[in-house]
Amino acid sequence: GENVEQHPSTLSVQEGDSAVIKCTYSDSASNYFPWYKQELGKRPQLIIDIRSNVGEKKDQRIAVTLNKTAKHFSLHITETQPEDSAVYFCAASMDALNFGKGTSLLVTP
Amino acid sequence: SQTIHQWPATLVQPVGSPLSLECTVEGTSNPNLYWYRQAAGRGLQLLFYSVGIGQISSEVPQNLSASRPQDRQFILSSKKLLLSDSGFYLCAWSVHRRTEAFFGQGTRLTVV
Repeated sequence: GENVEQHPSTLSVQEGDSAVIKCTYSDSASNYFPWYKQELGKRPQLIIDIRSNVGEKKDQRIAVTLNKTAKHFSLHITETQPEDSAVYFCAASMDALNFGKGTSLLVTP
Repeated sequence: SQTIHQWPATLVQPVGSPLSLECTVEGTSNPNLYWYRQAAGRGLQLLFYSVGIGQISSEVPQNLSASRPQDRQFILSSKKLLLSDSGFYLCAWSVHRRTEAFFGQGTRLTVV
């Protein structure tokens, strides 16, 4: 099946700085790449996604880039705020969503 | 609108006891259904997925099984729980296999 690697496992930034989380996937047939945010004690929720026919997508302070050739994609959060603190998961989908191990992001005021 | 129900929210079970976790989806037909387990440091591990009634795909060999007796019902079971089965179990659904997945509230299972 699909294997998704995610880095870093923890990330601490100061409020207002940018945060970048990177993922790689193994199966070139995967063509859907979502990012989920999970706050403490809550269910994961989609924040942004990208398909393999697109190289970049942006939604306000959040952007995702995809390099199909290298099989990696990244999440970029600009102007981080304390409420961005959460665990972020990337995923790649061929038959089902396979997730990375998550990145615990801490934004300090 | 579509909703997903998962229960119970928490469960404490002794080693060797059986398990049955149920998940139902409302407001959609023929959803893709998924069971994930979330353990500390391991992220969201895909356990099973189903594209239709009676169709179950297993991603990892384990002590668990899944069944889909009805279109919008997905059940996770075990005949004999192990300590290593402890974790946070999440059910999810999607319209298609390569679209957004919506998660249930999750079940915190502790095997003692």
